[in-house]
Amino acid sequence: DAGVIQSPRHEVTEMGQEVTLRCKPISGHNSLFWYRQTMMRGLELLIYFNNNVPIDDSGMPEDRFSAKMPNASFSTLKIQPSEPRDSAVYFCASSLMDGELFFGEGSRLTVL
Amino acid sequence: RKEVEQDPGPFNVPEGATVAFNCTYSNSASQSFFWYRQDCRKEPKLLMSVYSSGNEDGRFTAQLNRASQYISLLIRDSKLSDSATYLCVVNGGNFNKFYFGSGTKLNVKP
Repeated sequence: DAGVIQSPRHEVTEMGQEVTLRCKPISGHNSLFWYRQTMMRGLELLIYFNNNVPIDDSGMPEDRFSAKMPNASFSTLKIQPSEPRDSAVYFCASSLMDGELFFGEGSRLTVL
Repeated sequence: RKEVEQDPGPFNVPEGATVAFNCTYSNSASQSFFWYRQDCRKEPKLLMSVYSSGNEDGRFTAQLNRASQYISLLIRDSKLSDSATYLCVVNGGNFNKFYFGSGTKLNVKP
């Protein structure tokens, strides 16, 4: 069975550029989560969706960040414009309600 | 106050040692509890769920104390391959929101 699939795995970009991260959750899972992980702040929840609807986006750092889930099998996290302090590993995860959380391999973002 | 708090460690132990991690959570309405393991530069993966009655999986034992709002993980006969960061995870119950601790780093030495 395919797990959570994220792309790109690595991205290096320059400050000011738009970054789009993509995620395909496990088929049948109804919850999708975007996390950001840094050494300083650990794993932070940015936003999560239930049945494609954003439930809580209080973790989104600022208006430069946006996330969409147009259907049950796809989600994007966009940063526009990107800044060096956005450099981190961004994880997408999915689950069934009250079930185990499955993570993708992450997208490692470096903003120069 | 953070939703989930853990001692960041690192815990440096010799092979064969027994090591215990604790974490505390703030929301008494939390319903599901987990321990995740994260290897360096990898994604977190489920180690085990934590049940009210306590549960064991081989060398690993997890316990939950709802009254004191803490969760523990005991690793017996530790192996070099147990070296990783262990994350305590609590599901807040409402709307399936998972809260992660900052992780406890374990180094098992030969």
